Order: sequence, then C-alpha cells, then structure tokens
Amino acid sequence: DIQMTQSPSSLSASVGDRVTITCQASQDISRYLSWYQQKPGKAPNLLIYDASNLQTGVPSRFSGSGSETDFTFTISSLQPEDIATYYCQQYDDFPYTFGQGTKLEIK
Amino acid sequence: QVQLVQSGAEVKKPGASVKVSCKASGYTFTGYYIQWVRQAPGQGLEWMGRIIPSSGGTKYAPKFQGRVTMTRDTSISTAYMELSTLRSDDTAIYYCARSEGGVVVFLDSWGQGTLVTVSS
Repeated sequence: DIQMTQSPSSLSASVGDRVTITCQASQDISRYLSWYQQKPGKAPNLLIYDASNLQTGVPSRFSGSGSETDFTFTISSLQPEDIATYYCQQYDDFPYTFGQGTKLEIK
Repeated sequence: QVQLVQSGAEVKKPGASVKVSCKASGYTFTGYYIQWVRQAPGQGLEWMGRIIPSSGGTKYAPKFQGRVTMTRDTSISTAYMELSTLRSDDTAIYYCARSEGGVVVFLDSWGQGTLVTVSS
C-alpha cells in the first residue's frame, strides 16, 4: 500500500494567517492527490483534486501544489469557518489511501 | 443537484453482517463510480473499495477482502455495501461517495454517513 504521511497532525493559527499542510507519499503518485475538509459531524468535502485543481465553488484562498511524492495544501488567509480537519488522499494505486489528517484550530 | 442518501444507523452484534445502502439522485447513476470510506470514532478516513455501477465491477481494499461485498441496483440508482463477520473495531461511520472513472477518481460528492455500532 502507498503510505501517506501528513503533517502536522494538529495546527493552531490566527485568523488571517497563512496555513500550510504537507503530505508525503511513500512512492511516486504523479499528481493523483486530493484534499478534503471535514467539519465535526459532517461528511468530508472535496477542496482540491489532481494536486492543484480547485473544486468548483471552493474559495480561492485554498490551494494545492506538488507532484510525485511531495505535496502542499495552503490556506492563504485563515477564516473562522476553516476550522476543520483536513485530509489528503492518493488515487494513483489501489488501495486509495488517506493521510492521517490535520486538525486545524483557531488560536 | 447531486445527492447520495444513505440508510439509517445500525446496531449489530459481533459476528453479524450489516448492509448499508446509498441512493443516488441528480445525475446518471451508471455514469459514475461509487466508493466506500469509513471512519472509526475519533479516527481518520479509511478507503474500503469501489463499485462501477454500469458493470458491477468491484475493487476492494485488501484489508476488507473476503468480508466486504459491494453491489448495486441500477433500476433504483442504489449502491450497497455489506460487511460480514463484524467485530467491535468495525464500529464506524460508513460513507458512500461518487467519483468519475478511469484516473478521475477523487470523491466529489458524499453521502451523509451511516453509523454502524458493533456491540454485544
């Protein structure tokens, strides 16, 4: 299985801060990576696909970059409604594995 | 609009089976894949497998191979996930989600989740 190592596991930041989360794959996954936001008690929501493509309707403060094994997810200016847990997922090879998640809190 | 509506919460005893349904609307059911993801209490997301509604073709994560069966009924645009020989660590929220096919398999719409509790 491809292992997805996401860091940090938790993060505290202030409104307006730039926030960055990283995801490292155990092998080359090209750009077959997505990012999801999950708010408490809710299903995950797709934010980014193919490493850097913004899903329709998602605010432009969210962005993604990277390829092969190293990926980055960024919130350019943190908003209160961004409090959630964020997950990366690779879909290059079965089984499609997720990172362990990053819990984002407001400082 | 695209909707995936899942069946209600279940409580099962160890060793039993559970079958969760996922009814699709707002799009052509056979034009997209259905994938299943679970989340144990306070834990992360775990991919279980996927079914191609047009053909019935399935792919399961090795961890669940032999215990999980994914099926569909195209006449009612519904996918099913059955997990057998339940254990306490199968207690989780089970989600269905939609993706396109081929290499376009990110999950663009999700069901609301179904809580399955396994307890004696």
